[in-house]
Amino acid sequence: GAVVSQHPSWVICKSGTSVKIECRSLDFQATTMFWYRQFPKQSLMLMATSNEGSKATYEQGVEKDKFLINHASLTLSTLTVTSAHPEDSSFYICSAYGLTAFSNQPQHFGDGTRLSIL
Amino acid sequence: QKEVEQNSGPLSVPEGAIASLNCTYSDRVSQSFFWYRQYSGKSPELIMSIYSNGDKEDGRFTAQLNKASQYVSLLIRDSQPSDSATYLCAVSGGGADGLTFGKGTHLIIQP
Repeated sequence: GAVVSQHPSWVICKSGTSVKIECRSLDFQATTMFWYRQFPKQSLMLMATSNEGSKATYEQGVEKDKFLINHASLTLSTLTVTSAHPEDSSFYICSAYGLTAFSNQPQHFGDGTRLSIL
Repeated sequence: QKEVEQNSGPLSVPEGAIASLNCTYSDRVSQSFFWYRQYSGKSPELIMSIYSNGDKEDGRFTAQLNKASQYVSLLIRDSQPSDSATYLCAVSGGGADGLTFGKGTHLIIQP
């Protein structure tokens, strides 16, 4: 099946640091990638949608200047959390969607990145 | 505001019995419906997808969709302790549309 690789799996860093998370589709071309965030005991919340070669679309309440998304190729999207603070500590998960002959294909999720800001 | 509602549980089911999980959604134009299983600290794993009214079976799992009632369910037959997890219901408009997740139902299969 389709594989989405996310790196790093775990990050611990000091407040004020910027952190970059990579999401790669390994065996298909991902025309669209999604970034989700999950706080403890909560469900996944969509943060933004990125299409290859264009600006990301952010959900209401998500600061685009804080969460920088780049989708420069059909296999790679990155999320950079700029000047991270403890309240940004969360589980960040990407998913990828690729065009196939069938439009209704489920998204494939990466393994997630657990971000802890001290 | 799109909403997906699930009973958070925990739902406790004896091993070998049928576990029944339910979900309702608010957006009538939703086209794609998914059930994901999530173990603690892990990423969601797709269990079932369903796109049209009726039942869809895959092994021990059956998804049911009723668009008129805006209702999706998941049945797990012959429940196993390894099925113990949080089950997330997710809905989208189809295609390259982001998923709206419910808060999940914590399922416990008692040996």
